[in-house]
Amino acid sequence: SAVISQKPSRDICQRGTSLTIQCQVDSQVTMMFWYRQQPGQSLTLIATANQGSEATYESGFVIDKFPISRPNLTFSTLTVSNMSPEDSSIYLCSAPRTSGAQETQYFGPGTRLLVL
Amino acid sequence: QKEVEQNSGPLSVPEGAIASLNCTYSDRGSQSFFWYRQYSGKSPELIMFIYSNGDKEDGRFTAQLNKASQYVSLLIRDSQPSDSATYLCAVTSIYNFNKFYFGSGTKLNVKP
Repeated sequence: SAVISQKPSRDICQRGTSLTIQCQVDSQVTMMFWYRQQPGQSLTLIATANQGSEATYESGFVIDKFPISRPNLTFSTLTVSNMSPEDSSIYLCSAPRTSGAQETQYFGPGTRLLVL
Repeated sequence: QKEVEQNSGPLSVPEGAIASLNCTYSDRGSQSFFWYRQYSGKSPELIMFIYSNGDKEDGRFTAQLNKASQYVSLLIRDSQPSDSATYLCAVTSIYNFNKFYFGSGTKLNVKP
């Protein structure tokens, strides 16, 4: 399985500030993914981080709020901008791995964000 | 309309019993189906995947897929208290096999 690390593991932030989350994968991957998991909810895909091009955002998520960088094939960052308490969530990055003939996804440990 | 639906539970089974977790999906053309386990406070971990109709077994776990009924299930035999977790069903997009849609998860409690 893939080894994926995230920093920070958790943070408490003030309303109106921004937080950048880092994700590092142990091997080169073309795409990385950012998810949000709100309390008691399932995972919602925020965007796909493509190396060498703009990130692709899902409906309901915009670049101004969640800017993403993908400087190389093993690293990505997600920024949560101008935070409000509604942004309190777990943010997860994932990367694909091929198992036999099947693409699967493995997740980092997550970043637990609390916005006051 | 949700793409992937699961009963939120909790599903309670006694230790040693078979736990049956179910998932339905809306896109008939979906190709691949995944089961993840998520312990409280942890990130999801892949249990197994299936993409052909029928059963696929891996240890105590069996995934079952019925594409005609748009239904996928996970059976856990000889359930253990350590199996207590939330189980997430995921389906790949018919347009992008790297894009996963997750169900809301079923919470399983295995009682000693």
